[in-house]
Amino acid sequence: NAGVTQTPKFRILKIGQSMTLQCTQDMNHNYMYWYRQDPGMGLKLIYYSVGAGITDKGEVPNGYNVSRSTTEDFPLRLELAAPSQTSVYFCASSSRSDNSPLHFGNGTRLTVT
Amino acid sequence: GNSVTQMEGPVTLSEEAFLTINCTYTATGYPSLFWYVQYPGEGLQLLLKATKADDKGSNKGFEATYRKETTSFHLEKGSVQVSDSAVYFCALRQNSGYALNFGKGTSLLVTP
Repeated sequence: NAGVTQTPKFRILKIGQSMTLQCTQDMNHNYMYWYRQDPGMGLKLIYYSVGAGITDKGEVPNGYNVSRSTTEDFPLRLELAAPSQTSVYFCASSSRSDNSPLHFGNGTRLTVT
Repeated sequence: GNSVTQMEGPVTLSEEAFLTINCTYTATGYPSLFWYVQYPGEGLQLLLKATKADDKGSNKGFEATYRKETTSFHLEKGSVQVSDSAVYFCALRQNSGYALNFGKGTSLLVTP
């Protein structure tokens, strides 16, 4: 099982550039999430989706956009990259259950200079 | 709002030592509680979970008990191994929500 797959693994952007972080899952999970992880700060929720066509903001959505056109894919878009967006980004998914765990991808390390 | 507080790291232990990583939470109602582990260069993996008061989650020698009276979910292991070196995250899910609220993580280093 591939689980949750994120691409790319690493990326360096210049200030003002844009990019899309890709995330796909093959577990037929309805719920998908984007988190960012900063040193000593844990994980902060950026956006989440409870199903195709439905997305909602998390704790730190500013500067990001998402879409969910299929159950499998949940891309994260950065339109105007800023140094504050330097972070490690994790995509995760879970099934329709309050007690189901999140399954995480291996992350994308993004540096904005 | 919901929040999770973990003990600060890094924690350095010798192999076969006893491990405790403290975790306390703030939430309304009865959240589900989780411990995740992150090995270098990887995403987070579920280690164990507990869904109601007095439940004990266990996996790979690790244990944690959901204590509602002290709002705690401390992680313990009787004898750590070098391979347990990783970052450990405590997390909660409010029953009405979907996403998890994570603590800041505790780095554990086990030396031979």
